[in-house]
Amino acid sequence: NAGVTQTPKFRVLKTGQSMTLLCAQDMNHEYMYWYRQDPGMGLRLIHYSVGEGTTAKGEVPDGYNVSRLKKQNFLLGLESAAPSQTSVYFCASRNLDRGDTGELFFGEGSRLTVL
Amino acid sequence: GQNIDQPTEMTATEGAIVQINCTYQTSGFNGLFWYQQHAGEAPTFLSYNVLDGLEEKGRFSSFLSRSKGYSYLLLKELQMKDSASYLCAVKDSNYQLIWGAGTKLIIKP
Repeated sequence: NAGVTQTPKFRVLKTGQSMTLLCAQDMNHEYMYWYRQDPGMGLRLIHYSVGEGTTAKGEVPDGYNVSRLKKQNFLLGLESAAPSQTSVYFCASRNLDRGDTGELFFGEGSRLTVL
Repeated sequence: GQNIDQPTEMTATEGAIVQINCTYQTSGFNGLFWYQQHAGEAPTFLSYNVLDGLEEKGRFSSFLSRSKGYSYLLLKELQMKDSASYLCAVKDSNYQLIWGAGTKLIIKP
């Protein structure tokens, strides 16, 4: 059982380049999230999805776009990368069940450097 | 604004007990989580509190006081593998998670 898988694990970009991070989960979870983690700061929510075909903005959505065409996949795109987007990106998913705590299952992270 | 406060770093000795505190001010409260994150790895779930009191899970316990906006994570019989960051997160009135910056716990032999 793979859980939540992110690709790529590492990437170096030049300012202005574009790229897409892929998140795939095999737990049939409805909710999926993209976070960024920076030193000295808590995880910050970029975008999230409450089901296939839906997306919503989080706390820091500017400069990012997302798509959830299939339930198991959640893509995060950077159209024109900036040095401020250098960060570690985590994808997470969770169940929709009412009786559930809402525990998040995280991918291993994608380390992005923008030069 | 919404705020989660936890100490930046703590040091403890192998075999000892350590308490990591978390105070929060959020718009509403629908539960508090503790996650463990080893360096370079993903956060993993440790505990969840929604009612006041202590939840015990092996060597780890988590306490919540909603009236005080306060929680702590208690780690007993510390092992070297417990060296990690511990993240406190609160689910607000919109069921969104607000995260603290994390407490880096260093275990010394």
